Amino acid sequence: SAVISQKPSRDICQRGTSLTIQCQVDSQVTMMFWYRQQPGQSLTLIATANQGSEATYESGFVIDKFPISRPNLTFSTLTVSNMSPEDSSIYLCSVGKGTYEQYFGPGTRLTVT
Amino acid sequence: GENVEQHPSTLSVQEGDSAVIKCTYSDSASNYFPWYKQELGKGPQLIIDIRSNVGEKKDQRIAVTLNKTAKHFSLHITETQPEDSAVYFCAASIRNNNDMRFGAGTRLTVKP
Repeated sequence: SAVISQKPSRDICQRGTSLTIQCQVDSQVTMMFWYRQQPGQSLTLIATANQGSEATYESGFVIDKFPISRPNLTFSTLTVSNMSPEDSSIYLCSVGKGTYEQYFGPGTRLTVT
Repeated sequence: GENVEQHPSTLSVQEGDSAVIKCTYSDSASNYFPWYKQELGKGPQLIIDIRSNVGEKKDQRIAVTLNKTAKHFSLHITETQPEDSAVYFCAASIRNNNDMRFGAGTRLTVKP
């Protein structure tokens, strides 16, 4: 498995501002992922972040809105830009281990007012 | 792409009873099927998984079964306890772990 931490754990932000979420893992991993979980909903993949390459975004998510950095094998950031109330969600990072498994961090609970 | 359906959306059982959650998937190429448990205020926790070359896997009180022909898989929890109360998500993945699709989730409540 993996021990994953996220910062901040929660935040309340004003519309129009940006928030950067950090994800740290206790071991080197090739693949890191960012998900959004809207209240009471399932998990939706935002993008895949591999070290040394540009993040790959899923349909409906764009780099200008959700820029991602992956500077090394244990760390990644997701920025939620120009926020609106519709961005209020839980943002989760996960890491790929082995061929199949994904392990999730505790999440960042974002409220946009 | 892959589509995963999960039923029921809510499930309430009495402590000690069994709980069963079912998922179906659309893409026959899917070969990895994990189950996650998400407690309130926490991230999803991988509790059990199964690969397409296995029909059943058990870990203490939880088990997962897979029917590749019918393209469905199920989570079975026996002797349920109040601490089993959570939202459970199934998922299906094709070939590698950057293509994982999740079901809508099942909110399980175990009443003492």
